[in-house]
Amino acid sequence: DADVTQTPRNRITKTGKRIMLECSQTKGHDRMYWYRQDPGLGLRLIYYSFDVKDINKGEISDGYSVSRQAQAKFSLSLESAIPNQTALYFCATSTSGTGRTGELFFGEGSRLTVL
Amino acid sequence: KQEVTQIPAALSVPEGENLVLNCSFTDSAIYNLQWFRQDPGKGLTSLLLIQSSQREQTSGRLNASLDKSSGRSTLYIAASQPGDSATYLCAVPTGANSKLTFGKGITLSVRP
Repeated sequence: DADVTQTPRNRITKTGKRIMLECSQTKGHDRMYWYRQDPGLGLRLIYYSFDVKDINKGEISDGYSVSRQAQAKFSLSLESAIPNQTALYFCATSTSGTGRTGELFFGEGSRLTVL
Repeated sequence: KQEVTQIPAALSVPEGENLVLNCSFTDSAIYNLQWFRQDPGKGLTSLLLIQSSQREQTSGRLNASLDKSSGRSTLYIAASQPGDSATYLCAVPTGANSKLTFGKGITLSVRP
């Protein structure tokens, strides 16, 4: 089984629908992240969480929200999906120590298409 | 603001060639640098993590070096194989919360 699991792996939805992408990890890491990847734009950070009570906006958080339900679970929601949110979404986890970010581990990705 | 650059964006080489992939960053105040591999439509797989106190890290046919003072890292792939075809990305932690800044990657194609 994968250490970082994302569900669903693929989703097609319509404009205005609410969508939730879920991420769970078995690595025991405190830090979790949501990224989106678009051709030509690379990886961009949406939200990140350093523990269950610490959630922070990344560089492109508008239109998204997150919930850290437990140390192992971090979900991303699109309250009202729009076509330019069509992208490949990645969850990641990392180790931490003295405030530093260690090695980053990614899930397999969730491909979202908004029509 | 940290900027991470990987040039060229794409590279095609014949099988068996030794090759070097470059990564440059503008802010040298980093404490580690990580190289990833991404296959099409897949997640990123961590290849090597180099701490700032190290100059090199090796894993099999891969060797990564880090020169903080010049703002550069290289990923050396020995005896390339078609299975090495993928996109290779580098990333550095940036800012007070040590969020990673990624390069856009180099797409490598190894021809049989």
